[in-house]
Amino acid sequence: DGGITQSPKYLFRKEGQNVTLSCEQNLNHDAMYWYRQDPGQGLRLIYYSQIVNDFQKGDIAEGYSVSREKKESFPLTVTSAQKNPTAFYLCASSPTGAGYTFGSGTRLTVV
Amino acid sequence: GESVGLHLPTLSVQEGDNSIINCAYSNSASDYFIWYKQESGKGPQFIIDIRSNMDKRQGQRVTVLLNKTVKHLSLQIAATQPGDSAVYFCAENIHNNDMRFGAGTRLTVKP
Repeated sequence: DGGITQSPKYLFRKEGQNVTLSCEQNLNHDAMYWYRQDPGQGLRLIYYSQIVNDFQKGDIAEGYSVSREKKESFPLTVTSAQKNPTAFYLCASSPTGAGYTFGSGTRLTVV
Repeated sequence: GESVGLHLPTLSVQEGDNSIINCAYSNSASDYFIWYKQESGKGPQFIIDIRSNMDKRQGQRVTVLLNKTVKHLSLQIAATQPGDSAVYFCAENIHNNDMRFGAGTRLTVKP
């Protein structure tokens, strides 16, 4: 079955630690996205990539980094510079000019 | 910048009744709109979409209406069931895969 997979489902980060969230898709979609969702709020765009080896900052990129070395993969690193990282992180992918397919999300908590 | 918004943050309906969830958008250049359903702890799921050259589109128990004159989008759910309880997001495609999401409406179905 084609789809988009995020892992892990739950992740705990200590203060000052970098963590990486995985996002893999086998839908052959060119574009991939990372969103952050806080309780009771909508989706805020962190980073997006329209093509391999290229990505752009979204609205809230500070404290985050990404890479797009393969079409299938778009990992997100939450760095120690992100002071309030506790949130639900959603990855999505899309073909050009069509809607997004979302992953099931990763819930990140700072401990 | 321009953004997608929702008229109501919460909606409560009786099981079996019809539900109507509204969304206002402000970018007249948007050419593609999608409704998503998000259950607690999960990623958003595609429900139905509509392009700007249409004013109505029907799916199974769902209908999307687009009024470009007043920049208004609505989602109608017929015979609402307990499984329809979720947060519903509208999204507009600003240009070339740049999707913007509303904050969401929480639908609660009372038995």
